[in-house]
Amino acid sequence: EPEVTQTPSHQVTQMGQEVILRCVPISNHLYFYWYRQILGQKVEFLVSFYNNEISEKSEIFDDQFSVERPDGSNFTLKIRSTKLEDSAMYFCASSRQGYGTDTQYFGPGTRLTVL
Amino acid sequence: DAKTTQPTSMDCAEGRAANLPCNHSTISGNEYVYWYRQIHSQGPQYIIHGLKNNETNEMASLIITEDRKSSTLILPHATLRDTAVYYCIVRFLLSGGYQKVTFGTGTKLQVIP
Repeated sequence: EPEVTQTPSHQVTQMGQEVILRCVPISNHLYFYWYRQILGQKVEFLVSFYNNEISEKSEIFDDQFSVERPDGSNFTLKIRSTKLEDSAMYFCASSRQGYGTDTQYFGPGTRLTVL
Repeated sequence: DAKTTQPTSMDCAEGRAANLPCNHSTISGNEYVYWYRQIHSQGPQYIIHGLKNNETNEMASLIITEDRKSSTLILPHATLRDTAVYYCIVRFLLSGGYQKVTFGTGTKLQVIP
């Protein structure tokens, strides 16, 4: 069964450093998403991406964040200058274009630790 | 998206059916009921969804009341691997399909040996 994959599984970085989290969505999917979950809190939406453009972003997704689909398979989330409060699990998700239904499938996550 | 109410936690004996309730009294006619689960900080896993008819797949059954104001997710034979947080989510789906999933706090299901 096809699945969303994410690398790395755990990333440790120093405050102020740039990080890039990588995702390979399911191959025939056209819609891509990033979510994050701070330890002990809810899963929160960050951004959705379709046709090489951001479709929607939350207030969390400020100028420090960017997304890119650099090739036909990868989808990346970049945090330009990490803060302590960026420590969280980051989940990538994808969905195919559906008419009336849209099921998002999530990857296993990247645990980001900012020191 | 309509708000949902779920119990904070539930226990279920291994091998028994786990019945997880969800109230969504403000659901509108074109909103779907989705269920996801999250096993110990792993990525949320899609389980099942429905509009008004009951649905069944290899993982679970979804029973939606006739007035659509509540639903029940049924895991027919719970195993220890089903211990997770279960999220009931009501979503209005645009034809384009690109909409965020809004997670609540869910029900923490503990399957007991």
